[in-house]
Amino acid sequence: DAGVIQSPRHEVTEMGQEVTLRCKPISGHNSLFWYRQTMMRGLELLIYFNNNVPIDDSGMPEDRFSAKMPNASFSTLKIQPSEPRDSAVYFCASSLKGNYGYTFGSGTRLTVV
Amino acid sequence: GESVGLHLPTLSVQEGDNSIINCAYSNSASDYFIWYKQESGKGPQFIIDIRSNMDKRQGQRVTVLLNKTVKHLSLQIAATQPGDSAVYFCAERLPRGQNFVFGPGTRLSVLP
Repeated sequence: DAGVIQSPRHEVTEMGQEVTLRCKPISGHNSLFWYRQTMMRGLELLIYFNNNVPIDDSGMPEDRFSAKMPNASFSTLKIQPSEPRDSAVYFCASSLKGNYGYTFGSGTRLTVV
Repeated sequence: GESVGLHLPTLSVQEGDNSIINCAYSNSASDYFIWYKQESGKGPQFIIDIRSNMDKRQGQRVTVLLNKTVKHLSLQIAATQPGDSAVYFCAERLPRGQNFVFGPGTRLSVLP
């Protein structure tokens, strides 16, 4: 298995632009998590899905952030419009519900200028 | 691919020595804990886990100790190697949930 696959690895965009981050979880995993990592706040959970259904989105910073999981093999995290304070590394992770460890992707480093 | 900041606690150890990384967790009802290792440019990687009904668990060169009385978790690495240099995070699973809360991390630096 190739693990959790995220794209792009790096994204540089101008303030106000829309940004879409993508994630392909491990095949067979039915839970998917989006985390954000910054120097100031460490790793923060943004949202997670079970069986493609959003369960907890209380970590989503504001309405500019949205996440979807249209099927078991794909999820997106969208920021519209982006702001410089959104600059961070965004990680996607997946797990098999009941088997508790996460597998993380390599992350997307987002820079908003 | 930097993933962590410049203000993390840092532990420097000589190659071959043992390392002990500590973590204070937040919720006394958390029932499951994991240690993750994060190398530069990569996502966190699972190292070892422990459930709250245990106080010690051993893996290959790593041992996790859990002290629920003081909400403390430690990771011991035996015979530390250069490849162990990374940031280490503890994570606790909150009660009735599936998501984990991560600690701030500790940077381990292995000196030759």
